[in-house]
Amino acid sequence: LAKTTQPISMDSYEGQEVNITCSHNNIATNDYITWYQQFPSQGPRFIIQGYKTKVTNEVASLFIPADRKSSTLSLPRVSLSDTAVYYCLPGGSSNTGKLIFGQGTTLQVKP
Amino acid sequence: DTGVSQDPRHKITKRGQNVTFRCDPISEHNRLYWYRQTLGQGPEFLTYFQNEAQLEKSRLLSDRFSAERPKGSFSTLEIQRTEQGDSAMYLCASSLRQGGSPLHFGNGTRLTVT
Repeated sequence: LAKTTQPISMDSYEGQEVNITCSHNNIATNDYITWYQQFPSQGPRFIIQGYKTKVTNEVASLFIPADRKSSTLSLPRVSLSDTAVYYCLPGGSSNTGKLIFGQGTTLQVKP
Repeated sequence: DTGVSQDPRHKITKRGQNVTFRCDPISEHNRLYWYRQTLGQGPEFLTYFQNEAQLEKSRLLSDRFSAERPKGSFSTLEIQRTEQGDSAMYLCASSLRQGGSPLHFGNGTRLTVT
């Protein structure tokens, strides 16, 4: 199972673009990379998922380089409501369904 | 609402008592997970089911913890003889079996052991 490394915390201001990078050096060949967002007293919520190159949806973009040893979540023009903890989670390729969360990145958006 | 639901949302119990939590997954999801989360930490894997079969269980889960999913639908997590260290948020998630299928989480049960 791939171990992940993310910055513990990040600060930003409203309207800025935020990029959060996650390292997953021992990602398995067929693992997907999934990012989740978590607010206090709620369960994590799916944001975006990708396998390689770039994926974009209505809330975020995900950049994955060719070696797939890292991924970057990009949040365009953040608002105060984007203050949350963000987790990257490689997985899904092996027979085991066990998925391990790291400590995540706490993003604080300031006015 | 067709999301994952957990009951109760909050539970306060005295040390030594037994508690049971329930999780109702999204109906077509055949995988169900239990995680535990303490303040400032990411969710910690406890166990997961594929249909009614419990396929993996964390070594962190002592003999006081047991989980069931008798008909492959809802699941229960029981903690016997609770300890103060069991105080945490217990999260349930479900997903399809297909590789990479995202987890859908409930909002958890907050357990406080006094």
